[in-house]
Amino acid sequence: EAQVTQNPRYLITVTGKKLTVTCSQNMNHEYMSWYRQDPGLGLRQIYYSMNVEVTDKGDVPEGYKVSRKEKRNFPLILESPSPNQTSLYFCASSFTSPANEQFFGPGTRLTVL
Amino acid sequence: QKEVEQDPGPLSVPEGAIVSLNCTYSNSAFQYFMWYRQYSRKGPELLIYTYSSGNKEDGRFTAQVDKSSKYISLFIRDSQPSDSATYLCAMSANPGTASKLTFGTGTRLQVTL
Repeated sequence: EAQVTQNPRYLITVTGKKLTVTCSQNMNHEYMSWYRQDPGLGLRQIYYSMNVEVTDKGDVPEGYKVSRKEKRNFPLILESPSPNQTSLYFCASSFTSPANEQFFGPGTRLTVL
Repeated sequence: QKEVEQDPGPLSVPEGAIVSLNCTYSNSAFQYFMWYRQYSRKGPELLIYTYSSGNKEDGRFTAQVDKSSKYISLFIRDSQPSDSATYLCAMSANPGTASKLTFGTGTRLQVTL
């Protein structure tokens, strides 16, 4: 089954404790992206990757890191999480660009205390 | 002012009604327009995709784009309780890999029996 998987689905952590949210897709997509979704603000892009070893900032990259060492994986790293990073996070992938159909993961609900 | 404006709702309609959902935008460079549907606790999924102005129909769903007014609409005919979800408009200026997809904040729709 073609899908985007994210782990963990739910995470409660404390300020400053480094964490990684994993994302994997099995569709051989080149383009992958991370979004955060907040009430009243909608989906905002954090980082995106056009292919292996090619990443760039989205609209709200501060406090986040990403890497793309393999085509299928695109982890999101929070080196020192803060309460304002409490949000619902989605990973997405598409064939070549965001203007193609994007396939979203199920989401990761993160709470930073 | 946000690039894309969307009424958050909620919009409540009886089963069988015709639903109209709308977005306005300010960036005249947008050419690719999409509607995503997001069920509770799930990631968004692409519903319908249009390029430039005009209409596109897919089953009970019709997308309409009026570039002169910077206004897009999604019509749902014969609405069903299974249509209850949040509908997100999204748009992009170009199909390239470095392009960005800008989302509206979403309109929550409830279809009642």
